[in-house]
Amino acid sequence: RKEVEQDPGPFNVPEGATVAFNCTYSNSASQSFFWYRQDCRKEPKLLMSVYSSGNEDGRFTAQLNRASQYISLLIRDSKLSDSATYLCVVNSNTGGFKTIFGAGTRLFVKA
Amino acid sequence: NAGVTQTPKFRVLKTGQSMTLLCAQDMNHEYMYWYRQDPGMGLRLIHYSVGEGTTAKGEVPDGYNVSRLKKQNFLLGLESAAPSQTSVYFCASSSLGGGIAKNIQYFGAGTRLSVL
Repeated sequence: RKEVEQDPGPFNVPEGATVAFNCTYSNSASQSFFWYRQDCRKEPKLLMSVYSSGNEDGRFTAQLNRASQYISLLIRDSKLSDSATYLCVVNSNTGGFKTIFGAGTRLFVKA
Repeated sequence: NAGVTQTPKFRVLKTGQSMTLLCAQDMNHEYMYWYRQDPGMGLRLIHYSVGEGTTAKGEVPDGYNVSRLKKQNFLLGLESAAPSQTSVYFCASSSLGGGIAKNIQYFGAGTRLSVL
């Protein structure tokens, strides 16, 4: 089993749709969680940090469920510019630093 | 504001050749990282550094060496390139506050390496 697993994509949605990504992790000692966005042939860029209380940034909402060991990302009112790959990242520093990236979920938003 | 700069952007090597990838950051970050990204897989950490003069192994360190002689630079070396090292290599850096596990990483644009 992979340490961080994401929904296998791609997701194809029309503009204006709401889309949800899920990510599960296996290390219960994980300390911090992030969603990064990666455009085709570009570097990953931070989209949001994920907090236990959940957090929202405009059309984006991230949630963390430590008991079930998953994080989620919700995108509302999808835009064409949201088309990208979304990477789930889980970090820990217990017994040595580890940063694990999920394989990513590709999103295509269509007009 | 340059951020994280990687050189070169592209490189083609023959099996057995050596090369060094350079990463430079101008954000005064303590932590620096080297990753590789292969199709269908997430980024995998090769080596990282928590400060000038220090390096540590990540998830896939074999076949690579690193050096952090200056705080702003992190070098990744391939001593004898193999086709399995064909990949996209990303460098990243993050600040000191909050500890390494909680820091946001800022990435360079990547180096596309092909080993024939």
